[in-house]
Amino acid sequence: DQQVKQNSPSLSVQEGRISILNCDYTNSMFDYFLWYKKYPAEGPTFLISISSIKDKNEDGRFTVFLNKSAKHLSLHIVPSQPGDSAVYFCAASTWRGSTLGRLYFGRGTQLTVWP
Amino acid sequence: DAMVIQNPRYQVTQFGKPVTLSCSQTLNHNVMYWYQQKSSQAPKLLFHYYDKDFNNEADTPDNFQSRRPNTSFCFLDIRSPGLGDAAMYLCATSRGGDYEQYFGPGTRLTVT
Repeated sequence: DQQVKQNSPSLSVQEGRISILNCDYTNSMFDYFLWYKKYPAEGPTFLISISSIKDKNEDGRFTVFLNKSAKHLSLHIVPSQPGDSAVYFCAASTWRGSTLGRLYFGRGTQLTVWP
Repeated sequence: DAMVIQNPRYQVTQFGKPVTLSCSQTLNHNVMYWYQQKSSQAPKLLFHYYDKDFNNEADTPDNFQSRRPNTSFCFLDIRSPGLGDAAMYLCATSRGGDYEQYFGPGTRLTVT
């Protein structure tokens, strides 16, 4: 059963506008969330993360928001650039009851930024 | 640059013919993972090594095995590939205690 869900397989945004990618999760034990970016023929690359003790983390053009009560997080890209066109994976993890921060991934959202 | 390397990038094998995929890393991370990713699906963890300790996911088929001869290298062995094993295989590493994983470019496996 998918514990991390990205319900939008694709998103198309004009250059300069905001891109908002969404992610929902079901496991309330998750305490750390990550976004990965993947270009064709490359492996996923870490983009930004957020701990469950925060509700926002910002890194340049990228901001991740976490709403624990709704079990929802989102990635905002402002302004969007053509080079941001890629597949974005949401991932979640927990160390509780485990010796390893196992990552649970969503299916990804293909972002296309057009000029 | 420190990195995760996977060889080959593309592998074609015949139904039932054993195949080995390779992963090496220069990050000196003590944890290494193997994921399987099929088209439009989430990466699925097959197993991981924490140092020399092997951890198999409960739903990983017996057909899949792994070896880690040293810190830098990890191999994925598919003993008798079926058509359903065609996928992208991703290797990743992390420092024990860190959430962030570093991925290689993947090996695209085709089974004919």
